[in-house]
Amino acid sequence: KQEVTQIPAALSVPEGENLVLNCSFTDSAIYNLQWFRQDPGKGLTSLLLIQSSQREQTSGRLNASLDKSSGRSTLYIAASQPGDSATYLCAGGSGNTGKLIFGQGTTLQVKP
Amino acid sequence: SQTIHQWPATLVQPVGSPLSLECTVEGTSNPNLYWYRQAAGRGLQLLFYSVGIGQISSEVPQNLSASRPQDRQFILSSKKLLLSDSGFYLCAWSPKFHEQYFGPGTRLTVT
Repeated sequence: KQEVTQIPAALSVPEGENLVLNCSFTDSAIYNLQWFRQDPGKGLTSLLLIQSSQREQTSGRLNASLDKSSGRSTLYIAASQPGDSATYLCAGGSGNTGKLIFGQGTTLQVKP
Repeated sequence: SQTIHQWPATLVQPVGSPLSLECTVEGTSNPNLYWYRQAAGRGLQLLFYSVGIGQISSEVPQNLSASRPQDRQFILSSKKLLLSDSGFYLCAWSPKFHEQYFGPGTRLTVT
């Protein structure tokens, strides 16, 4: 059974800092790994999708990597800005049901 | 491009009243559809998913039900709401397995 863990639960950094959010999963037979952002009271916005045959994806200041052998994914945010403050969730899918298993999220605060 | 809609955006309902939340997807056909609930301070809980019209799988036994009357329409219902049904309800669609995109959500408060 796939389990997804995100550490830390909360993170506060000064503006301009580069940071890494961590996501670990138990089933190495993961298909895709998807990173989301959630602002308070809003739905989830998909940031990056790493397919099983890929090792990383990049979008602007965001870079996500996937290491299936170690059961880890990281989301790297370069030159953080106050607008990056949100909760970031990772989710992985395995098995044949199409379901995603979500981590509990990391709440990021970027201070001006 | 694909768009997913949910309504209403917010809802306040008394205990024991019925519920109907609607989700529709535009710009795609035969998507997989999902209902999640996010309670305050808790993670996402998958409630139902559907791989086609009339095909509903339930993840958690409760007083909620789901229906998919049309290809791109997914409805979450209850005959009698409980206080514990309060939360943020999210609908998601998937073009293929293990990849999902979410709607804006419905905030439900049961009083």
